[in-house]
Amino acid sequence: TQLLEQSPQFLSIQEGENLTVYCNSSSVFSSLQWYRQEPGEGPVLLVTVVTGGEVKKLKRLTFQFGDARKDSSLHITAAQPGDTGLYLCAGARGGSNYKLTFGKGTLLTVNP
Amino acid sequence: DAEITQSPRHKITETGRQVTLACHQTWNHNNMFWYRQDLGHGLRLIHYSYGVQDTNKGEVSDGYSVSRSNTEDLPLTLESAASSQTSVYFCASSDLLPGNNEQFFGPGTRLTVL
Repeated sequence: TQLLEQSPQFLSIQEGENLTVYCNSSSVFSSLQWYRQEPGEGPVLLVTVVTGGEVKKLKRLTFQFGDARKDSSLHITAAQPGDTGLYLCAGARGGSNYKLTFGKGTLLTVNP
Repeated sequence: DAEITQSPRHKITETGRQVTLACHQTWNHNNMFWYRQDLGHGLRLIHYSYGVQDTNKGEVSDGYSVSRSNTEDLPLTLESAASSQTSVYFCASSDLLPGNNEQFFGPGTRLTVL
């Protein structure tokens, strides 16, 4: 059973379009992270959200943590080819705060 | 600059052989993790360690072992490699600071078991 469900699994869009990817669970997380992974490299942290309802912005990327801390979304405004990559959400639960559970990821392709 | 390295970057081996993948970090992090990444499964935790002499099983630990004799290294051993262990393996580390669970990943090792 996958604890964190990401959707969509694949997304191919044109440069300049907006998009949202989702990370959903039936479990509560103490914090949730978003990573981006480029081909041939390891994932790199984009953001950590901790408080229910929290919204964080990183240039054209907006991250939101659900009020109940069970879900999160990543919105990209005016996507650029440099945004292409695999976006992974990862959750930490209560007592095992250092151990993360990863979703399967959303593979985003932004075409020029 | 602090970093986390993995070696080798690519490895081809035969079924039944013992294989060890190296992971070395200079962040001085107490926590270290091994994951495998497969299409359709995402990143799955194999083993992890919260400090020297501490090791713990993750969700897919069968057929793998780790040892932690110092802070910097967490080698992953496949006791008897199987074709099902063909995958890309990532090592990661993180700090012990409360509320800070950012993981820093190595570049990965692509392992093929024939």
